[in-house]
Amino acid sequence: AQSVTQLGSHVSVSEGALVLLRCNYSSSVPPYLFWYVQYPNQGLQLLLKYTSAATLVKGINGFEAEFKKSETSFHLTKPSAHMSDAAEYFCAVSANAGGTSYGKLTFGQGTILTVHP
Amino acid sequence: DTAVSQTPKYLVTQMGNDKSIKCEQNLGHDTMYWYKQDSKKFLKIMFSYNNKELIINETVPNRFSPKSPDKAHLNLHINSLELGDSAVYFCASSPMDWYGAGELFFGEGSRLTVL
Repeated sequence: AQSVTQLGSHVSVSEGALVLLRCNYSSSVPPYLFWYVQYPNQGLQLLLKYTSAATLVKGINGFEAEFKKSETSFHLTKPSAHMSDAAEYFCAVSANAGGTSYGKLTFGQGTILTVHP
Repeated sequence: DTAVSQTPKYLVTQMGNDKSIKCEQNLGHDTMYWYKQDSKKFLKIMFSYNNKELIINETVPNRFSPKSPDKAHLNLHINSLELGDSAVYFCASSPMDWYGAGELFFGEGSRLTVL
């Protein structure tokens, strides 16, 4: 079984400030980890993913995330927030179960990012 | 050209009715999904099809019946709608990946409201 916990349902930052969205996971097998972004009235779009290569993963729009096995974390960061980053962000885990996953993602509950001018 | 398209985007109906949501992808992917996003934005997988075959069925009531006429289409039919079915339903597709590392491409969602 696998699960994802996103700490903080709402995060508010000023434009230009550091963005840090927290995600902790639980998985009985080596995980694949994802961050998706959802803008209002739109579907989810992949920001980045970890698939057991480099632990520091760079994604689109200047976002990156670091896989820390010892902390079971996959926090999302961006050095300088932009107004256009305002959206809801979802962390997700997929079990690396050797042929039985078929893209079955378990999502966290989401974090709404607000960016103030 | 939209990659994953769903219709309708909005659906308002009465309890007890039957409704369908259609989904089409033009990405050439082998695998398609239905996810349900509830009012608290919690996303949960409902079904997954690979090349027209059902591979994931997540204890969804049998009032929900997916159908995949070909690998580019996955429709969702819901019988005897209940208030609790109100949600946003997302269709998604991905290239076949045995290990779960594939990216999902989502449609824009279909907001179902049951009165």
